[in-house]
Amino acid sequence: GAGVSQSPSNKVTEKGKDVELRCDPISGHTALYWYRQSLGQGLEFLIYFQGNSAPDKSGLPSDRFSAERTGGSVSTLTIQRTQQEDSAVYLCASSQTPVVTEAFFGQGTRLTVV
Amino acid sequence: DQQVKQNSPSLSVQEGRISILNCDYTNSMFDYFLWYKKYPAEGPTFLISISSIKDKNEDGRFTVFLNKSAKHLSLHIVPSQPGDSAVYFCAASRRTGANNLFFGTGTRLTVIP
Repeated sequence: GAGVSQSPSNKVTEKGKDVELRCDPISGHTALYWYRQSLGQGLEFLIYFQGNSAPDKSGLPSDRFSAERTGGSVSTLTIQRTQQEDSAVYLCASSQTPVVTEAFFGQGTRLTVV
Repeated sequence: DQQVKQNSPSLSVQEGRISILNCDYTNSMFDYFLWYKKYPAEGPTFLISISSIKDKNEDGRFTVFLNKSAKHLSLHIVPSQPGDSAVYFCAASRRTGANNLFFGTGTRLTVIP
């Protein structure tokens, strides 16, 4: 596609349930990033994938969060046993080079945990 | 610990006037700074950037100023247009070797026709 695509756009889930958020990066982009924006906060780095290298998971807030990237393309961010503080907009970005300052962002998934 | 700060959550400006959005940072290792613009229900889009070797970068109506000694940058929009109404995020990074950007909390700009 022309841009980074994320699905779903909105997700409402009950506390304790697991959720999966999907990101389709721009074709040919080797680097992929996940960020989240909680209410009243700036965007917060979560995880970074670059080609076949081991991902940089340093931003994941707890072990309930995990992400994978299959075939160097589509990425899924999984949150297990969701909590209300997980409510946020989750943004995915991709870049052609491993230079984060050249990344393009998707529209985000708004997650609401009730 | 918020390494990039935007202390003004909102700003209203009359159409045709100058909009000035401010940003402060604490990490002296940052050497690249960016401004993003975000409309509702859309992802942030890159607007303009500046390297730490410069103190000014201009692109059309948008100019970013960097004051390294004060660890401060600002985005000037002249003249402001109603279509500029959006949330503006300041971000900082190390240009090389960094996997992530540090973002401010954003400033909502409203340009009044």
